[in-house]
Order: sequence, then structure tokens, then C-alpha cells
Amino acid sequence: GAVVSQHPSRVICKSGTSVKIECRSLDFQATTMFWYRQFPKKSLMLMATSNEGSKATYEQGVEKDKFLINHASLTLSTLTVTSAHPEDSSFYICSARGGQVSGNTIYFGEGSWLTVV
Amino acid sequence: LAKTTQPISMDSYEGQEVNITCSHNNIATNDYITWYQQFPSQGPRFIIQGYKTKVTNEVASLFIPADRKSSTLSLPRVSLSDTAVYYCLVGPSGGSYIPTFGRGTSLIVHP
Repeated sequence: GAVVSQHPSRVICKSGTSVKIECRSLDFQATTMFWYRQFPKKSLMLMATSNEGSKATYEQGVEKDKFLINHASLTLSTLTVTSAHPEDSSFYICSARGGQVSGNTIYFGEGSWLTVV
Repeated sequence: LAKTTQPISMDSYEGQEVNITCSHNNIATNDYITWYQQFPSQGPRFIIQGYKTKVTNEVASLFIPADRKSSTLSLPRVSLSDTAVYYCLVGPSGGSYIPTFGRGTSLIVHP
């Protein structure tokens, strides 16, 4: 199956700083990428949808100025948490769709743990 | 967007077959059914996808009745490592489909 990779897998940052999480589709071109947030023992909550070369579409309640999403190429999307606060600590997951390898199926990255101290 | 309903939790024992059913009464004609497995602190992993009847791969089988209003993920001879949360997603192929997750089914396999 298709491979989606996230980096870093774990990051700790100080309150008030910004942190960037990368999501790469390694063996296919991802026309669409999705970003999710997941709290312990809860389901995945969609944050935003990004199409290559376009602005991301954010779900209701997600602050677009705080969670900056860039999908500059067909293999890379980034999520930047700006001015992070402890309440932003969470597990962030990306997924990608598109291309012959992926086809109809959406594949997920390994996830990234963010801890804001 | 087809809403899905799954049992919140299931328990099984090593070596048993486990069947997890997902209800999707308002599935559309062009919708596919996809199952994912998620371990703690990992992203969901694709298990299997189908449109109708039966699909089988090296890890699972997916049974879809003729009316497609439900589907059953079958895991043969589970082991402790199959303890995970299983999600059923229903949506069209490609296009503007945005995958959203329900609560999933937490499967616990006991020794």
C-alpha cells in the first residue's frame, strides 16, 4: 500500500513558540491531504483539508491563524502550530489521497505527539 | 455522507474469529466501505476496502450484503496483537470525499 510519513513523531516545545509538523506521501502524489487531532481514547477529529496549491479548508471551530496548513507540493503538507499553548498538546495525524498508488484509498501517517510545556 | 454505527467495544480470545459489524443505512450508490485499524499512539492503518459481496486479503475479510446497508469485518484467529480500535468509513471514491471518523470499535483480545 501507499506510504505516508510524518515528522517528527514526538516534539516538545515551550509555550508561546511555534512548531511545524511535516506530512509526506512517499510513493504517490497526494492531491488532497487531511489533518486530524486526536485526544486520548477519543476518535480522530478532522481539523482541515488541503489540496495541493490551494488554501486549506478548516473545519468549524479550528483556528486557521493558529494551525497553519501548507500544501505546497504533491508530496508534502505541513501543519504549523503557532504560539503554542499547553492546551494544544495532542496527537496530530495526517492522511493523504491521490494518484495511482493510492487510488480511492486514504492512507495515514504515523502521527505526531506534540507536548507544549 | 453515510453515517456509520459500530459497537463501542468487543472482547475476544486468542485464536477465535472476530466479526465486527458496521451499519450504514444511508450508503450511497457510489460509496465504498473501508476499514482501518488503529493502535495507541499510531495513525490508522488501512485494512480492507470493498464495494459489494466479499473481499478477502491476507489479514481480513469484508462481507457486504446485497443491500449494502451494513458490512462485517472478519478477523480470523485473532492474536493479542490484534487488540486495537477498528474504524469503518463509508464514502465515495476520490472527488471531494472528506473522511470523518466515528467512535470505532475497541477490540480487546485476551490470552
